[in-house]
Amino acid sequence: SAVISQKPSRDICQRGTSLTIQCQVDSQVTMMFWYRQQPGQSLTLIATANQGSEATYESGFVIDKFPISRPNLTFSTLTVSNMSPEDSSIYLCSVFSLAGGKDYEQYFGPGTRLTVT
Amino acid sequence: QKEVEQDPGPLSVPEGAIVSLNCTYSNSAFQYFMWYRQYSRKGPELLMYTYSSGNKEDGRFTAQVDKSSKYISLFIRDSQPSDSATYLCAMSLYGNKLVFGAGTILRVKS
Repeated sequence: SAVISQKPSRDICQRGTSLTIQCQVDSQVTMMFWYRQQPGQSLTLIATANQGSEATYESGFVIDKFPISRPNLTFSTLTVSNMSPEDSSIYLCSVFSLAGGKDYEQYFGPGTRLTVT
Repeated sequence: QKEVEQDPGPLSVPEGAIVSLNCTYSNSAFQYFMWYRQYSRKGPELLMYTYSSGNKEDGRFTAQVDKSSKYISLFIRDSQPSDSATYLCAMSLYGNKLVFGAGTILRVKS
């Protein structure tokens, strides 16, 4: 099956700065998703990123805070802007229906563990 | 009220036990139901996927969906210490946007 990688795997950042997280898939996929997993909580969808169109954000998430790029069918970035300690979370990218996988199966990358001080 | 409710545990069982993990949900329109396993400091790993109601078996794992009761279960037979992880239920209307439960921490003691 395809492999999903994320960079960086972890980072410690100062408040007020921004961090860009990269997600790379080794096969072409139509839909990519970005999730947040706050400490002790479940995964929450931030946005859906389709190639060639603007990302669609879920309630409570805005483009100015979490700009997303999707330049091609194998790559996406999520930026966490003007960070505060409340942004400390694990950020995960996910892809929908990998090559060789079945429809509607969604797979996750290893996550980026972000700590904001 | 959360859309998906899942007891966070921890659930501690002896090796070889049958484990039952459950989720309830409020949105009767959900059609796709998944179970993920997440080891510490790793991304979620898809274990089981079920469409609509019914049972699905894969090795030691069985997933059940009861849409009339809005209740899903994952059974693990002959549990092993390597099964110790957090188990997340997730569900979706159309198979894309997933709504997750909080996750149940499972500990299998050898």
